[in-house]
Amino acid sequence: GDSVTQMEGPVTLSEEAFLTINCTYTATGYPSLFWYVQYPGEGLQLLLKATKADDKGSNKGFEATYRKETTSFHLEKGSVQVSDSAVYFCALTGNQFYFGTGTSLTVIP
Amino acid sequence: NAGVTQTPKFQVLKTGQSMTLQCAQDMNHEYMSWYRQDPGMGLRLIHYSVGAGITDQGEVPNGYNVSRSTTEDFPLRLLSAAPSQTSVYFCASSYSGSSGNTIYFGEGSWLTVV
Repeated sequence: GDSVTQMEGPVTLSEEAFLTINCTYTATGYPSLFWYVQYPGEGLQLLLKATKADDKGSNKGFEATYRKETTSFHLEKGSVQVSDSAVYFCALTGNQFYFGTGTSLTVIP
Repeated sequence: NAGVTQTPKFQVLKTGQSMTLQCAQDMNHEYMSWYRQDPGMGLRLIHYSVGAGITDQGEVPNGYNVSRSTTEDFPLRLLSAAPSQTSVYFCASSYSGSSGNTIYFGEGSWLTVV
């Protein structure tokens, strides 16, 4: 069945460091891929999405490229800020929504 | 612009009590779902609905009931609360469950069963 596997956390980075959170997926058909972000005490919010192979989703300095050949959708940001501290979820939609287990990111000043 | 609204935000129950978590969306979405979030477990699907009058079980349905009498509302009922149901619950909705559609979440309901 469809599934998402994402990098285990927690991840701790210094401000202005480069961020990569790995996400790979298994799916039949042609899923859409998403990254959601959850700030403390809040629900999940859409960060970015890509609906077909080679699409790049981007928002707030974050980027992810839909790579069908490697079944991956890694999240990247060139320079993280303290305000980026949150839990990040990779997700896909096929006939249903499937979420990864989440990666906690803490950015220290 | 309300989106997905969940109530209550916090609740403490005694073992064996019943309660209903309310969820409403104002986006005319056909697809609605309930998840629970536990440390190290990510999000697990409890129940979902693809339209009024249609519900189905997700990954962890035991101990929970749902109904969908209107497009807007999708309440989650705990029949006899157990400590294992202590969790954060999220309601979510989408235009449909199929590929390409963004899913929108409520702000969560923190439930403690003592």
